[in-house]
Amino acid sequence: AQRVTQPEKLLSVFKGAPVELKCNYSYSGSPELFWYVQYSRQRLQLLLRHISRESIKGFTADLNKGETSFHLKKPFAQEEDSAMYYCALSPPKTGFQKLVFGTGTRLLVSP
Amino acid sequence: NAGVMQNPRHLVRRRGQEARLRCSPMKGHSHVYWYRQLPEEGLKFMVYLQKENIIDESGMPKERFSAEFPKEGPSILRIQQVVRGDSAAYFCASSPGGTENTEAFFGQGTRLTVV
Repeated sequence: AQRVTQPEKLLSVFKGAPVELKCNYSYSGSPELFWYVQYSRQRLQLLLRHISRESIKGFTADLNKGETSFHLKKPFAQEEDSAMYYCALSPPKTGFQKLVFGTGTRLLVSP
Repeated sequence: NAGVMQNPRHLVRRRGQEARLRCSPMKGHSHVYWYRQLPEEGLKFMVYLQKENIIDESGMPKERFSAEFPKEGPSILRIQQVVRGDSAAYFCASSPGGTENTEAFFGQGTRLTVV
């Protein structure tokens, strides 16, 4: 079964603190992994995709196939990072066509 | 480009009524995806459409739900005889093509409440 688990509903940190948003997945094979972000009153938007190996807004995520994890990290959180973050996977070679999302983690960065 | 437009943003229906949710894709996009987010859950894929074709409807409930994407006009997700369990946020996304590297962009969603 395809499943994405985000164990934390809410993560609260102070500005400047490191952030790690956890994501574990269940999939028999090699899925593609994504992180999406939804800022207050805005649309869901792609933050990063594991095959791109990019760092977006200071965020990085490493795919660990052994632990089936794709945790999102940022060394120094900013107030503007406060948002809902969703981890998602898709079957190989389907890209964005059929995403499976986790339940999301709300990140709150306090001054 | 205004982005993916969904309307209405909020829809209230009584049990047994029909709900029609509209999605206008971004300009130049011919692929549309519908997702449903039930309370306390992640978004779940429902259906993938191209103009005048249903490509993948594996996530659609077998009864009461249908989707179309006509040659002209928006994509429509139709729910007949709504029940309380249909209350959810429905999101639409669109992409210019169906290849694995064409990013899908999301609309702001329609929140359906069944009373």
